[in-house]
Amino acid sequence: QSVLTQPPSVSGTPGQRVTISCSGSTSNIGSTTVNWYLHVPGTAPKLLIYRNNQWPSGVPERFSGSKSGTSASLAISGLQSEDEGDYYCAAWDDSLNAWVFGGGTKLTVL
Amino acid sequence: EVQVVQSGSEVRRPGSTVKISCKVSGHSFTDFSIHWVKLAPGKGLEWMGLVHPEDDDTMYAEKFQGRVTMTADTSSDTAYMELSSLRSEDTAVYYCATITAVTPNDYWGQGTLVTVSS
Repeated sequence: QSVLTQPPSVSGTPGQRVTISCSGSTSNIGSTTVNWYLHVPGTAPKLLIYRNNQWPSGVPERFSGSKSGTSASLAISGLQSEDEGDYYCAAWDDSLNAWVFGGGTKLTVL
Repeated sequence: EVQVVQSGSEVRRPGSTVKISCKVSGHSFTDFSIHWVKLAPGKGLEWMGLVHPEDDDTMYAEKFQGRVTMTADTSSDTAYMELSSLRSEDTAVYYCATITAVTPNDYWGQGTLVTVSS
């Protein structure tokens, strides 16, 4: 059971907008910032969003992050087939003194 | 350009120890914290711990305390993760990464597959 809770899967058609939620607590999301990663099997995880809603260089702005209270979400607009993969939220947890990841959400583009 | 390169795949017997390396280039090694993340088959990413190369300070996830040792060699800009008393559940891909909460300086190695099998 992961400390951060994500839906196991989401799906959408090309061009559509999807969102992935990440629910935590006051010791993690509620007190610090959230990163979002995309992992395509066989490759290294890639940072999509840091500090809740900031884009690293090279990440398209159709990926957007937000945070409210103890929850965060990642929105992907203009869905493309290459967006398929496993998405993870991550944050520092003050109680555990550890980074914690969500369980991952598998995105399928239909 | 920052590059993070890990050592190759390993096969170990149950009860043995494995040590994986992670070399960072293209940036000052001591500017980063080096994290280790486990990805087991069918599971999600799991944080194992970190080492600060600047002072060798470490933090380990409770689950791996007592079995994991993370070190950093500033003379070669290489971090190491040693996992002992291996069991089948340790079969996984292990990543090193420069995870940070406040900057985009987040770089990952290619992963090292460790297979534990008798």
